[in-house]
Amino acid sequence: ETGVTQSPTHLIKTRGQQVTLRCSSQSGHNTVSWYQQALGQGPQFIFQYYREEENGRGNFPPRFSGLQFPNYSSELNVNALELDDSALYLCASSFPSGNTDTQYFGPGTRLTVL
Amino acid sequence: AQSVTQLDSQVPVFEEAPVELRCNYSSSVSVYLFWYVQYPNQGLQLLLKYLSGSTLVKGINGFEAEFNKSQTSFHLRKPSVHISDTAEYFCAVFPSNNNDMRFGAGTRLTVKP
Repeated sequence: ETGVTQSPTHLIKTRGQQVTLRCSSQSGHNTVSWYQQALGQGPQFIFQYYREEENGRGNFPPRFSGLQFPNYSSELNVNALELDDSALYLCASSFPSGNTDTQYFGPGTRLTVL
Repeated sequence: AQSVTQLDSQVPVFEEAPVELRCNYSSSVSVYLFWYVQYPNQGLQLLLKYLSGSTLVKGINGFEAEFNKSQTSFHLRKPSVHISDTAEYFCAVFPSNNNDMRFGAGTRLTVKP
């Protein structure tokens, strides 16, 4: 069974640029959630995709957007990068069962905005 | 909305000593509770979860946690820690009515020889 993978591992961008992060979900999982983890903090929920549709969003501006593809892999796009966007971006996949949602996390992409 | 408070930002302990990492939550709806561990430069690994049923939950690596509804707590315990348990531990709540999983700020567990 393949776990959650993310690419790239590290990324350096400058303020104002755009970035795309990628996530491949665990085999059999149809739901992907994205989180931002700033240094020294817990992860914060950005949004979730279920069967290619956005299925919940946290308190992040519209310049954070996403996609989910038919194979359930996903992208996180961030436009007009700001210095505060520097963080570890985590992707988690799951297969909802009833009302529960046990999420399995990838290793993350470390984004640095200069 | 729900929130999570991890009461200790850092917990230093000696090897083979017991440890308790404290977590309190607040929510207006029922929640599911999780503990995750994060090793340096890695993602989060699920330690254990409480969905329903028995309030004492056993997880991997010898950890266990007890759900206390009246005190809205979900403290993590291990009777004897190892050096390899040194990591950041996150408590999280998942509400029954939306997908916004909330994490605490984390507790850095440092096990000393």
